[in-house]
Amino acid sequence: DAGITQSPRHKVTETGTPVTLRCHQTENHRYMYWYRQDPGHGLRLIHYSYGVKDTDKGEVSDGYSVSRSKTEDFLLTLESATSSQTSVYFCAINQGGGQPQHFGDGTRLSIL
Amino acid sequence: AQSVTQLDSQVPVFEEAPVELRCNYSSSVSVYLFWYVQYPNQGLQLLLKYLSGSTLVKGINGFEAEFNKSQTSFHLRKPSVHISDTAEYFCAVSDPSNDYKLSFGAGTTVTVRA
Repeated sequence: DAGITQSPRHKVTETGTPVTLRCHQTENHRYMYWYRQDPGHGLRLIHYSYGVKDTDKGEVSDGYSVSRSKTEDFLLTLESATSSQTSVYFCAINQGGGQPQHFGDGTRLSIL
Repeated sequence: AQSVTQLDSQVPVFEEAPVELRCNYSSSVSVYLFWYVQYPNQGLQLLLKYLSGSTLVKGINGFEAEFNKSQTSFHLRKPSVHISDTAEYFCAVSDPSNDYKLSFGAGTTVTVRA
């Protein structure tokens, strides 16, 4: 398995609180991605990174921010969580150029 | 962005029967195509990929898929399923003109019954 670790694996929090999810890789891949998975929608891209300090928005970026200060770590932050952000969040990595993405095991986030 | 349609949301199938999962995408420009499988409470695992070359692609666990450029389809097949193939399957398209970002279908849940 690709060396991808997501933390935490589960989190329950309240509306309005900040939340940070972490993705850590040991593969030295250039690209890292954050997706959310919701029933009937497949996976939707939130943000991605193409290098240290280089990030860009995906199709559902509102309410989320990201940071990448090291090659191996990509953080996803919900500044003020809302119930609509209850979801399963997946991190993925790849070398770029259309190569397959490899996924972490996901973080199940519930916002009450 | 590419639009990816998986035509069946649920596919029940008996053990040892064949299965086909259908996937269509929106654009005829050159794209890269993938099928992923997700077992309960796990991440997505790559089943197979089409980047170029032969239109018939073989993957893990006995799965194969056929790329049809004129019909913009990438259907997944397995000639004989096992109980362990019960999972959700996702078709995904990577568009070089959109920084190779992946677009996913909504998923097909395959339930294999004895």
